[in-house]
Amino acid sequence: GIQVEQSPPDLILQEGANSTLRCNFSDSVNNLQWFHQNPWGQLINLFYIPSGTKQNGRLSATTVATERYSLLYISSSQTTDSGVYFCAPENSGTYKYIFGTGTRLKVLA
Amino acid sequence: DAGVTQSPTHLIKTRGQQVTLRCSPKSGHDTVSWYQQALGQGPQFIFQYYEEEERQRGNFPDRFSGHQFPNYSSELNVNALLLGDSALYLCASSLKPYPPSGYGYTFGSGTRLTVV
Repeated sequence: GIQVEQSPPDLILQEGANSTLRCNFSDSVNNLQWFHQNPWGQLINLFYIPSGTKQNGRLSATTVATERYSLLYISSSQTTDSGVYFCAPENSGTYKYIFGTGTRLKVLA
Repeated sequence: DAGVTQSPTHLIKTRGQQVTLRCSPKSGHDTVSWYQQALGQGPQFIFQYYEEEERQRGNFPDRFSGHQFPNYSSELNVNALLLGDSALYLCASSLKPYPPSGYGYTFGSGTRLTVV
């Protein structure tokens, strides 16, 4: 099955800093989602982004499916951005979203 | 507009027992996927239900089974519980197994299962 690698595994930022999270995947995908899991375990869908670039406030994401990677940009980070960020590509035609191991982000005040 | 609701929120079971977890999808969604998330790991796909049938399955033993009802709600059953089944069980709903562009999964808050 598809392999999903996220980097960095851990990240500590000062409030206001910017960051880029990367997701590499080993096979072709039809769909890809980015999620934020807060400290209480709730998974929030940030982006549904099979290709191209999308922006939502301080967050933006870019997927280059032909090169098998996706990036999540966080600008002007806030303490509420802390948590774990997962990317989940869908292996073409399988209808299964496979999660990476996540990037654990801590934003310090 | 209710999101995805899961019950119970927490559960403690003894090894060898059986457990049933429940999920009601977001209004307007008809597909339910179940995931298991062990501590410190990413969620792992268990199976997906659409039109009351299991459509896709991950690498989980037959002890894990499910059901989808006509109102699109779903149950996850685990038999002969093992200590290793302790995890957060997440339910995600979507519109169709293959969401059209712009849509994705909506997750519930999960059921935390502890097997002792």
